[in-house]
Amino acid sequence: GAGVSQSPRYKVTKRGQDVALRCDPISGHVSLYWYRQALGQGPEFLTYFNYEAQQDKSGLPNDRFSAERPEGSISTLTIQRTEQRDSAMYRCASSLQSRSSGANVLTFGAGSRLTVL
Amino acid sequence: AQSVTQLDSQVPVFEEAPVELRCNYSSSVSVYLFWYVQYPNQGLQLLLKYLSGSTLVKGINGFEAEFNKSQTSFHLRKPSVHISDTAEYFCAVLKTSYDKVIFGPGTSLSVIP
Repeated sequence: GAGVSQSPRYKVTKRGQDVALRCDPISGHVSLYWYRQALGQGPEFLTYFNYEAQQDKSGLPNDRFSAERPEGSISTLTIQRTEQRDSAMYRCASSLQSRSSGANVLTFGAGSRLTVL
Repeated sequence: AQSVTQLDSQVPVFEEAPVELRCNYSSSVSVYLFWYVQYPNQGLQLLLKYLSGSTLVKGINGFEAEFNKSQTSFHLRKPSVHISDTAEYFCAVLKTSYDKVIFGPGTSLSVIP
């Protein structure tokens, strides 16, 4: 697609429910990143993929968070048993290069705003 | 570990005045540096990037930044701001040997008419 597409744009859920956030990167982009951004703060790294391989998941807060990118394109970030502290904007970004080559410019989606009641 | 510090959380400035947004990073290895801007209710977009070469980098909308290796800084400047520059500005760093981009906490620039 023309840009990075995220869905849903807004998600309100009750504590304890599972949620799945979807990211459709720019066609041909090798790398895909997930960030979480709380209000008034910078994006916090969660995890990233090169193709279908998850390269780094050190930013995932705990084992309730998981991500996959099974075919190297669309990715899903899943949060199980949501808690109020999970409320945030979840941003996906993709980039063309697979390894650091100096051109690892991220293109961000509009984000998915999650509210856990 | 690498981290990014943006000392000023909020910067108010009058229209047509100059502005400098400060960014310092900590890393023991070579890095690439970026500034991203987030306009209200929008996603992040790239303003400019430093990869190598000239330490003065020019970006979109009249912004520029200077890489100072000895001071580990990458401050963003604009000689004359416009109302439309009101936004959040994020400094980011990427180690040249790795792919994880780390963002600073951001600086909120408010341009006063």
